[in-house]
Amino acid sequence: DSGVTQTPKHLITATGQRVTLRCSPRSGDLSVYWYQQSLDQGLQFLIHYYNGEERAKGNILERFSAQQFPDLHSELNLSSLELGDSALYFCASSDLTGEGSPLHFGNGTRLTVT
Amino acid sequence: QQQVKQSPQSLIVQKGGISIINCAYENTAFDYFPWYQQFPGKGPALLIAIRPDVSEKKEGRFTISFNKSAKQFSLHIMDSQPGDSATYFCAASGLGGSARQLTFGSGTQLTVLP
Repeated sequence: DSGVTQTPKHLITATGQRVTLRCSPRSGDLSVYWYQQSLDQGLQFLIHYYNGEERAKGNILERFSAQQFPDLHSELNLSSLELGDSALYFCASSDLTGEGSPLHFGNGTRLTVT
Repeated sequence: QQQVKQSPQSLIVQKGGISIINCAYENTAFDYFPWYQQFPGKGPALLIAIRPDVSEKKEGRFTISFNKSAKQFSLHIMDSQPGDSATYFCAASGLGGSARQLTFGSGTQLTVLP
């Protein structure tokens, strides 16, 4: 068990809808990362937050947004959902922004857009 | 320049054999090269990682070989076991911006036959 908790495990929704994915990092970890895993794109970095502040953006669509709260949990908001947004969404945490600290991944949220 | 190319896509090895997975990168700013192991229904888990100042790192049955001039690195799994059957991802990141903004390879599905 990595110590990173993601909810829900599965989410089925319709096109055009909005969903929120939640992540609780390992105790003490200040950094939260979101990754998307799909069959055609593989594992892709979406966004990184450190202690409540956005630190880096990757291949994140404008329809997607994230935030990290004072208690360090993070939420990934996906809106105007399209069929192509169906994927596994992983949250990962680490205790540093710099070197020396590996990423610890949660078990993901499987999003299915119908 | 951000791409990490991984091969083979799938690999079948007999129990006790050596599994070898290769990766190549283009971005010379990368300076952290981890390998992740992923079982079905789970998030990726860090297996072993290397920095470019060493050519080899060994942890138990797992060894990373790194060739800086060729911009290639590989994972060797010695005495492969059925429990090693999983998907393996190589990845790379640099210290600029977000140290754990990993760029992942496309993955190798390893099957170890009993």
